[in-house]
Amino acid sequence: NFMLTQPHSVSESPGKTVTISCTRSSGSIASNYVQWYQQRPGSSPTTVIYEDNQRPSGVPDRFSGSIDSSSNSASLTISGLKTEDEADYYCQSYDSSILVFGGGTKLTVL
Amino acid sequence: EVQLVQSGAEVKKPGESLKISCKGSGYSFTSYWIGWVRQMPGKGLEWMGIIYPGDSDTRYSPSFQGQVTISADKSISTAYLQWSSLKASDTAMYYCARRVRGYSLDYWGQGTLVTVSS
Repeated sequence: NFMLTQPHSVSESPGKTVTISCTRSSGSIASNYVQWYQQRPGSSPTTVIYEDNQRPSGVPDRFSGSIDSSSNSASLTISGLKTEDEADYYCQSYDSSILVFGGGTKLTVL
Repeated sequence: EVQLVQSGAEVKKPGESLKISCKGSGYSFTSYWIGWVRQMPGKGLEWMGIIYPGDSDTRYSPSFQGQVTISADKSISTAYLQWSSLKASDTAMYYCARRVRGYSLDYWGQGTLVTVSS
């Protein structure tokens, strides 16, 4: 199966924009949808992006998702950073009914 | 309102068996796959496997095949994750989640903390 690789951590200041990458090791990133989950300490994960670039209701439009076939990666971009965005973020995709998670990225808003 | 409510925290000894549960409500339980996700202390999310309660079709991650058993009782809208012989390395938080089209997990349970210690 394939792996999804994320940076271990990123940090940025409030009001700025940050992008978290998720690179697929084999197979095309475009062949299966990518999801992004936010997990705050002590809480269950919640979806912030599904099907590459769709936002669930209630997720602010500061969150956006994209895929780039040239780098075989997906990206989560958060603009207008707020302190409440500080959390772990996980990308997820699948192949043959097997779901695969990235290792997670700790976002620090300082 | 869709809800997945998991059973409470467990403290077990190595070698003991355990079955934890995930009860769905607010939707047609037999129409959606339910998956299980492990999160070891301070670590990331790991996919364990999934079941379709409508017909009990079950798929396992290769990493967890043979290590756990996933089942469901559609009459009470509940999915289960069980171990026959726990190890200290099974200490983790376990989440159930509903899978929708596109293989997204749209609703998650609150998690069940399993601690295995002698």
